[in-house]
Amino acid sequence: QKEVEQNSGPLSVPEGAIASLNCTYSDRVSQSFFWYRQYSGKSPELIMSIYSNGDKEDGRFTAQLNKASQYVSLLIRDSQPSDSATYLCAVGGSNFGNEKLTFGTGTRLTIIP
Amino acid sequence: ETGVTQTPRHLVMGMTNKKSLKCEQHLGHNAMYWYKQSAKKPLELMFVYNFKEQTENNSVPSRFSPECPNSSHLFLHLHTLQPEDSALYLCASSPSGGYTDTQYFGPGTRLTVL
Repeated sequence: QKEVEQNSGPLSVPEGAIASLNCTYSDRVSQSFFWYRQYSGKSPELIMSIYSNGDKEDGRFTAQLNKASQYVSLLIRDSQPSDSATYLCAVGGSNFGNEKLTFGTGTRLTIIP
Repeated sequence: ETGVTQTPRHLVMGMTNKKSLKCEQHLGHNAMYWYKQSAKKPLELMFVYNFKEQTENNSVPSRFSPECPNSSHLFLHLHTLQPEDSALYLCASSPSGGYTDTQYFGPGTRLTVL
């Protein structure tokens, strides 16, 4: 049974600071990793995807992947109140042709003005 | 985002009712998914259709019956549900169902079973 673990939070971060969200996964042969943002009452929307070890940056967002440690993180720089949401980590592709994504329970992030 | 639409947005039904949820995607994708989202639980994959063929049934009870008449439409037929089936039901689509695909979600149907 694949598992994806996230701290449920809430994580409170002052406006302008760096928010750090963490995720660990159990299936060591997983190949694809996604961060989704979900506002209250809304559906998830993709923030970042990452497939190789290291960092991937997109604007204020940086995803970090360490397959040896089975760890993926999302950094949000210069946090804004609009970043307040639940962030879902999703992991997929542990077997060839397996399109299933396994989601974590999400981390609720609150940016304090 | 109007790429994936779902109707109805809210549904209240009794345990003896039969209802259907509808999903439509306008993105030209070939894979469609049904997920269940309950409070304090991870998104649970229910069904996957790839090029109209069901490729995944994640041990879902038979009171949930999916239908995919074409790559743009997906239905979830509901009958004799239980109160614990109350949840947000999300539809998603992706280009080809591959593990690197981004899945695009619809707004969801909030289902309450009385």
